[in-house]
Amino acid sequence: DTAVSQTPKYLVTQMGNDKSIKCEQNLGHDTMYWYKQDSKKFLKIMFSYNNKELIINETVPNRFSPKSPDKAHLNLHINSLELGDSAVYFCASSQTTGSNEKLFFGSGTQLSVL
Amino acid sequence: AQSVTQLDSQVPVFEEAPVELRCNYSSSVSVYLFWYVQYPNQGLQLLLKYLSGSTLVKGINGFEAEFNKSQTSFHLRKPSVHISDTAEYFCAVSPEFGSARQLTFGSGTQLTVLP
Repeated sequence: DTAVSQTPKYLVTQMGNDKSIKCEQNLGHDTMYWYKQDSKKFLKIMFSYNNKELIINETVPNRFSPKSPDKAHLNLHINSLELGDSAVYFCASSQTTGSNEKLFFGSGTQLSVL
Repeated sequence: AQSVTQLDSQVPVFEEAPVELRCNYSSSVSVYLFWYVQYPNQGLQLLLKYLSGSTLVKGINGFEAEFNKSQTSFHLRKPSVHISDTAEYFCAVSPEFGSARQLTFGSGTQLTVLP
C-alpha cells in the first residue's frame, strides 16, 4: 500500500486552464504539505495543513489553493495556469507538526504548462 | 532564518568506491539535520536524521552522516556504493523546537554510480 499517493502523475495543459492535483495519505498523519520542485531540483514548501489550520508560504500566488475534505486528503487547485507553474509538485505528510518529524512524500506530479 | 549549502551538484563515483556528499548549514538557532534521497521518478525518502546525542548518525542502505557543530556541517558518507545508490540526495535543516514546515532543503547532489 502506498503511504502517500497523488494523482495524476503527469499533467499537461494549456496556459489559462484550471487544474487539480489530488493527494491522499493512509498513515493517519495529522499534517500534510505541498511542495514545488523546480527544474533545478530546488524544493520549496507551498502549504502546510494541520487540524484545519492552513499555513501558506507568502510567496505562493493566490491562484494556488489547497482544499482538505478530511484529514487524509489535501488537494491542490491551480487557477489560470501560467508557464512558470511548470514544475514537479509533491504532496507530503508527517505525524505531527514538530520540526523533528520525518516527512513522507508522494511520488510527484509533473505539471507541464504549454 | 536558516540555509543549506550542498557544495557539489554532481558526484560521479565508481561502484564499490567510498563517497562523501557535503552539506553545510547556517542558522541562528540550534537545528535538526536530515538527509533525504530521491530516486528517479519518485518522491523523497528519509535516509537519516540528527536530533541530538551522538554526532555520528547511521541511516538506511549503509549511509551515515556526522554532525560537526563547529564547522556547521553534516556530510553524508558511504564506504562502498552500489549502482542502486544512483539518485539525488538532499540535505535539509529545521530549527530545534520549530515546525516541520520550516524545513529548508539544499539544492541537491546528484550521485551517479558508474560500473
